[in-house]
Amino acid sequence: GQSLEQPSEVTAVEGAIVQINCTYQTSGFYGLSWYQQHDGGAPTFLSYNALDGLEETGRFSSFLSRSDSYGYLLLQELQMKDSASYFCAVSTGGSYIPTFGRGTSLIVHP
Amino acid sequence: KAGVTQTPRYLIKTRGQQVTLSCSPISGHRSVSWYQQTPGQGLQFLFEYFSETQRNKGNFPGRFSGRQFSNSRSEMNVSTLELGDSALYLCASSSDTSTDTQYFGPGTRLTVL
Repeated sequence: GQSLEQPSEVTAVEGAIVQINCTYQTSGFYGLSWYQQHDGGAPTFLSYNALDGLEETGRFSSFLSRSDSYGYLLLQELQMKDSASYFCAVSTGGSYIPTFGRGTSLIVHP
Repeated sequence: KAGVTQTPRYLIKTRGQQVTLSCSPISGHRSVSWYQQTPGQGLQFLFEYFSETQRNKGNFPGRFSGRQFSNSRSEMNVSTLELGDSALYLCASSSDTSTDTQYFGPGTRLTVL
């Protein structure tokens, strides 16, 4: 089967940098995605990594190490609106559907 | 393009009843997936339909079923509702590329009393 581990909660202050880690165990790994979900809202896609390295999209970056079965989401210049849940999700070659982690609640303090 | 839509947005049922939820995917998307979200459990995958066929299935009892129509719209049915079925049910559509990006609808909040 597949399993993903990510911290349940992370807190940080406005303007800071925060890293949300995700480790996974799966066979036939294809890629790692990140989604953001605000309270009461729908999850929205943030990034996707299929190859090792860092992908940058504005204030958000995502990193993948396939050899370590590990990835992280890096949020820079934190803003209050970044307070949300962040889910990592792993895609495998055997399925077109990603498996989601339990999510990390990010709380940004002023 | 219009996003994924789900109806109804809120639903209250009693134990033993059944419920049908509806999802309209983004135009051109043929893959529709359903997820159950409860506090602390993250997104639990229910099933996925592609071109009117169930292609993937999660570990949920047979009380949970679904179908997809020729226009890619999908419905999910839960029979003999239990209190534990109270959750946010999310539908997501995908263009079925290698990135598997899921585009989620706003969800249906189901409360079972």
